Order: sequence, then C-alpha cells, then structure tokens
Amino acid sequence: TQLLEQSPQFLSIQEGENLTVYCNSSSVFSSLQWYRQEPGEGPVLLVTVVTGGEVKKLKRLTFQFGDARKDSSLHITAAQPGDTGLYLCAVLNTGNQFYFGTGTSLTVIP
Amino acid sequence: DARVTQTPRHKVTEMGQEVTMRCQPILGHNTVFWYRQTMMQGLELLAYFRNRAPLDDSGMPKDRFSAEMPDATLATLKIQPSEPRDSAVYFCASGFRGAYEQYFGPGTRLTVT
Repeated sequence: TQLLEQSPQFLSIQEGENLTVYCNSSSVFSSLQWYRQEPGEGPVLLVTVVTGGEVKKLKRLTFQFGDARKDSSLHITAAQPGDTGLYLCAVLNTGNQFYFGTGTSLTVIP
Repeated sequence: DARVTQTPRHKVTEMGQEVTMRCQPILGHNTVFWYRQTMMQGLELLAYFRNRAPLDDSGMPKDRFSAEMPDATLATLKIQPSEPRDSAVYFCASGFRGAYEQYFGPGTRLTVT
C-alpha cells in the first residue's frame, strides 16, 4: 500500500477550467510539498507547507494543508496548457523519512 | 542559473554489466538524494547524504547498488551487476535544508536488456 494516495490519477481538461487534485494519507506529517514534473525532466518544487490548515497561493495555484496535517489539495484556477504535467506530493514524516505520492497526470487541452 | 547535472542522460546496457551514474549537486548544497522512477512504482527514494555522509539508504538493494560521495561536488550511484528490472529513470536531487527543498537533475534513463 502507498503511504500517499493522489487523486485523480489522470485528469484531462479544457483550457480555462478549474481543477482540484488531492493528496491523502492516514499518517501525520511534519511537512508536505508539491512538485510538478514535465516529460523528460525532474520534478520542480512548487511549494512547501508545514502548518495544519495552511493555505499558500502561487499565481493561479492554491495549496492547502489539512488541519490534521494528513492531507493536502492543489487547486488550479483557469488552467492553461503550460500547467500540463505530473503533479506529485511529497512528505517528510515524523520519523524523518521522505516519500512521494503516486502522482496526478494533468493534461490541459488548448 | 545553478542546476543539478547528471550524466549520462541515457544509458543502454546488457544484463550483468556495471553501470555508474554521476551527479553534480548545486554548489553549496549539503544534501544529496538519489531516486528511481518507474511507471509501476512511481518515485522511490534510494539513498540520501548530508555533508557527504550517508543518512539513509534503506530504499536501495544493497546486494547490487552502492552510492557514494567522493567529494562535495560529485555523487555516484553504481549498479553491479545490472538486471533488466533496474530499467528506470534515476534522479539526483540536492538541497540545503534537508528534505524541505530539493532541486532535481534531469535524470538518467537506464535501459538494461
């Protein structure tokens, strides 16, 4: 079983639509990160959240860390083709071990 | 624009051969990670170093994999002997705040036939 489950696994939407992807677990985490990976490249860090309930915004992207620090969501407003990629969440657990989620593959159709 | 570099970008080898992958972390970063990515397993942490000392290599098959940092500018991941199931993209990442911020290299795509 995966420590981190991301949903949906695949998402294909039209340019301009809004979307939300999720990262869930039954464990509590010290911190959680979101990365975006484009084909043929390594993941690129988007944000780190450390406080339960924390909300961070990065242009059209809004990240929220759950109150209990077990889950997170990423909301994209008015998606653009440049948002296409694999979105990965990653966590540092209380045992100082680092894990990546299963990923959500997003395609934004022009 | 500082980046993590990895060589080679692509490697095709036959089963049983030794494979060495190299990584140059960003200058000043004190933490280096090695990951493997496959469609089936996703991104898995193999090992990580802080200040050149191995802190965790529990994700790495010990019988055939080894990771080292000969100096602060070079990290290596070696597979000997390689097997077809080792086919994957291997990423190196570096950081200066432990696991809080990791900067990934472009990866080495390994194919073992």
